[in-house]
Amino acid sequence: GAGVSQSPSNKVTEKGKDVELRCDPISGHTALYWYRQSLGQGLEFLIYFQGNSAPDKSGLPSDRFSAERTGGSVSTLTIQRTQQEDSAVYLCASSSPLSSAGELFFGEGSRLTVL
Amino acid sequence: GDSVTQMEGPVTLSEEAFLTINCTYTATGYPSLFWYVQYPGEGLQLLLKATKADDKGSNKGFEATYRKETTSFHLEKGSVQVSDSAVYFCALSVSSGSARQLTFGSGTQLTVLP
Repeated sequence: GAGVSQSPSNKVTEKGKDVELRCDPISGHTALYWYRQSLGQGLEFLIYFQGNSAPDKSGLPSDRFSAERTGGSVSTLTIQRTQQEDSAVYLCASSSPLSSAGELFFGEGSRLTVL
Repeated sequence: GDSVTQMEGPVTLSEEAFLTINCTYTATGYPSLFWYVQYPGEGLQLLLKATKADDKGSNKGFEATYRKETTSFHLEKGSVQVSDSAVYFCALSVSSGSARQLTFGSGTQLTVLP
């Protein structure tokens, strides 16, 4: 597609369940990022993939969070044993080596609500 | 660590009013500065940027000047329109390296009334 695609757009789950959020970046973009946006907060960096390099996982808040990127394209963010504090909008972004520094292309986000 | 502080919202203006959204930053090294905008129902998109002191970024009638002496990057527009209603995020990047170094402010909600 023309832009970054995320699914689902909305997810309501019960505390303790696992969830998977999907991101399909812009074709040809080698860098992929996950951010979390909580109500009234800025964007919190979670994880960064660049080509075939080892991902930068330094922003993941706990070991319940993990992400993978298959074939250098689609990425899945998995949250295990969800907690209420995990409720947020999860944003995916991608960028190209040709993009100017700091220019990320964002998806519309996946809104997660943990009851 | 690096941080960005933005004017708290929400901000409500009448059409054709002058807009200022304040942004100040703390960073090690020499950051590049950005404004991103998020229109309702859409993803964030880059609005403008400046990569060195005294640079002025501009786009769609918006401007922001990189002020190193005051560590600021305030967003301005002379005459806002209803279509400018959105959330605006100030951000900085210390280098072109890790995405972790793209640090965002908390966002400012702008509503423009007709």
